[in-house]
Amino acid sequence: GQNIDQPTEMTATEGAIVQINCTYQTSGFNGLFWYQQHAGEAPTFLSYNVLDGLEEKGRFSSFLSRSKGYSYLLLKELQMKDSASYLCAADFSGNTPLVFGKGTRLSVIA
Amino acid sequence: EAQVTQNPRYLITVTGKKLTVTCSQNMNHEYMSWYRQDPGLGLRQIYYSMNVEVTDKGDVPEGYKVSRKEKRNFPLILESPSPNQTSLYFCASSLSNPGLEDNEQFFGPGTRLTVL
Repeated sequence: GQNIDQPTEMTATEGAIVQINCTYQTSGFNGLFWYQQHAGEAPTFLSYNVLDGLEEKGRFSSFLSRSKGYSYLLLKELQMKDSASYLCAADFSGNTPLVFGKGTRLSVIA
Repeated sequence: EAQVTQNPRYLITVTGKKLTVTCSQNMNHEYMSWYRQDPGLGLRQIYYSMNVEVTDKGDVPEGYKVSRKEKRNFPLILESPSPNQTSLYFCASSLSNPGLEDNEQFFGPGTRLTVL
C-alpha cells in the first residue's frame, strides 16, 4: 500500500509560525488533502492541492511538490485554538481509497 | 443545516452481538465512506460507496458489512463484533469521489465503540 509520513508531534509558541510536513509515494498520485481534527471531534477540511505551489487561505497555507512527493501545511500567527491533530491524506488514481497519514499532534503553548 | 449524522455516538457491547451503526447525510452526496481511527494508526477506510447500490472495500473491510439502498444512508454492520473492532468510527460523505477537484469530505461526529 501507499505510505504517508508525517511527524507524530510538534510544539510551537502562540503567535509563531509552524510548518507540518507530509511525504507520500508519487506513483499514481492525484492530489493531497489537509484536515484538522480537534481531540474527540471529527476531522474538518482545510485544503486540497493538486498543482505544484503554495495555496494560501488566511492564516493557513498548503504547499505541494508533485515531483518530490512532498507537501506542507503552514500555520501563521498561531493561536491556542490551533492545538489539534493535522492529517494529510493523499488521493491516488484508480478509484483507490484516500490514504491518510497518522496525523501530527500540534500543541500551541503560551 | 448540512450535516452527516451517526448513531449511536457511544456503544458498549459484547463479543458476537450483531450491531449496526447508522450514517445519514442531507447534502445529496453520491460518495460515502466509513473509517476507523485507532491510536498510532490514523484513519483507515473500511468501505466506501460511489452511489446507490455501489459499494467497495477499503483498506480494512474484514468483519464489516455495508449497504447503500438509498443515497442518504450508509449503515455499517458488524455481524459478530470482536474486541479488535473497538475503535472510533467516522462516516464521511462528499459530492463525488474525494479525489476530484477539491472535493472535501464532510465527517460525522464519530461513534466510539467498545467490544468486550
